Amino acid sequence: EIVLTQSPATLSLSPGERATLSCRASEYLTNYLAWYQQKPGQAPRLLIYDAFKRATGTPPRFSGSGSGTDFTLTISNLEPEDFAVYYCQQRANWPRLTFGGGTKVEIK
Amino acid sequence: EVQVLESGGGLVQPGESLTLSCAVSGFPFINFAITWFRQPPGKGLEWVSTVSATGTKTYHADSVQGRFTVSKDTSKNTVYLQMETLRVEDTAVYYCARDDGLSYFDYWGPGTLVTVSS
Repeated sequence: EIVLTQSPATLSLSPGERATLSCRASEYLTNYLAWYQQKPGQAPRLLIYDAFKRATGTPPRFSGSGSGTDFTLTISNLEPEDFAVYYCQQRANWPRLTFGGGTKVEIK
Repeated sequence: EVQVLESGGGLVQPGESLTLSCAVSGFPFINFAITWFRQPPGKGLEWVSTVSATGTKTYHADSVQGRFTVSKDTSKNTVYLQMETLRVEDTAVYYCARDDGLSYFDYWGPGTLVTVSS
C-alpha cells in the first residue's frame, strides 16, 4: 500500500495569507496525485489532478506542484471559503487508491 | 447536470447485512467506472470498492474483501454495495463517486451514514 503523509496536520492562517500544504508518498507516483477540499458535512471536491492540473471550476489561486514522492498544494491569498480540510490522493497503485490523512486549514 | 445520490444507510448490529445504492444521472452511465469510499466519523477517507464502466470487473479493499460486493445495474443507472457480516469498524459515511477516466473523482454524492453498533 502506498502511504501518503500530509503535513502539517493543521495550518492556522488569516484571510489573504498564503497556504502551503505538503503530501509525501512512500513510493514513486510519477505525477499521479490529486488534491481534494472537504468542508464539514460535505463530500470532497476535486481541486487538482495529475499533480498540477486544475479541475473544472477550481480558482486560479489554487496551484499544485511536485512529482515523484513530494507534492505541494499552494493556496495564494486565502479566501474565507478556503478554510477546510485538504486531502491528497494517489492513483499510481490503482485500484488500491489511498489518501493522505488531511491538512486542516483553519482561521487564525 | 450530473447527479449522484447514495441511499440505504442506517443502524445495524454487528454481523448483519446492508445494501447501499448509488443512483446517478446526467452522464452516460456505461462509460464511467464508479467507486465507493468511506469516512469514519472525524477521520480520513478510505477506498472501499470499484466497479468498471461496463460492470464486468470489480475490485475491493482488503478490509472488505469477501464481505462486500459491488455491482452495477445499467438499466437503472444504479450501483449497489452489498455489505455482509458488518463490523463496528465499518461505521462510516459511505460516498460513491464517478471516476473521471483517470481514477480521480469529479462527482460525489452527499454520502450515507452506516452505523454498526450493538
